[in-house]
Amino acid sequence: DAGITQSPRHKVTETGTPVTLRCHQTENHRYMYWYRQDPGHGLRLIHYSYGVKDTDKGEVSDGYSVSRSKTEDFLLTLESATSSQTSVYFCAISESWGGKNIQYFGAGTRLSVL
Amino acid sequence: AQSVTQLGSHVSVSEGALVLLRCNYSSSVPPYLFWYVQYPNQGLQLLLKYTSAATLVKGINGFEAEFKKSETSFHLTKPSAHMSDAAEYFCAVSGKSNFGNEKLTFGTGTRLTIIP
Repeated sequence: DAGITQSPRHKVTETGTPVTLRCHQTENHRYMYWYRQDPGHGLRLIHYSYGVKDTDKGEVSDGYSVSRSKTEDFLLTLESATSSQTSVYFCAISESWGGKNIQYFGAGTRLSVL
Repeated sequence: AQSVTQLGSHVSVSEGALVLLRCNYSSSVPPYLFWYVQYPNQGLQLLLKYTSAATLVKGINGFEAEFKKSETSFHLTKPSAHMSDAAEYFCAVSGKSNFGNEKLTFGTGTRLTIIP
């Protein structure tokens, strides 16, 4: 599992409440990613980080923010959760292999916004 | 820009039969291609990768994929399906982000069902 831990694994929350998901890695990887998985869409990139305090937007970043204050933790925050953000969220890290980066995924967080 | 199309959101095969999951890609540069597998309630696991070396790539659990540039395809096959192969499979292509690291673009997935 490339040393990736996501927490919580499941969460139910109400519309309008803030939610923070945590991704923790133990192997000092530089690059970390947050994806959401929805039926019919595969995985879509929300945000990624290329170092401490260095982040960039992915294709579906609206309504999400991220922070990375230390190498091992990458936090995803929904400032005011909406029902459209009900999804399964995956964190990933990438490892260098032959000059290319290979991504490895955590077990996921299932979020339900009621 | 890169994109991936997986043909068939659901595929059913009998146990012992050939598994064929289709993936076509679009890429403006020579692509790196991946297949991931997702078992129920789990994360994605790397099945195999193509990184411009041999065009026939072997992965875990007896799966393999062949890169065909002329057809822009990277189909996943296994000669004999096993019940444990039931899962969702994702094809992905890598491309460069704004900061030089690889971004993955995923297909929408194919759910494989094995019929006893």
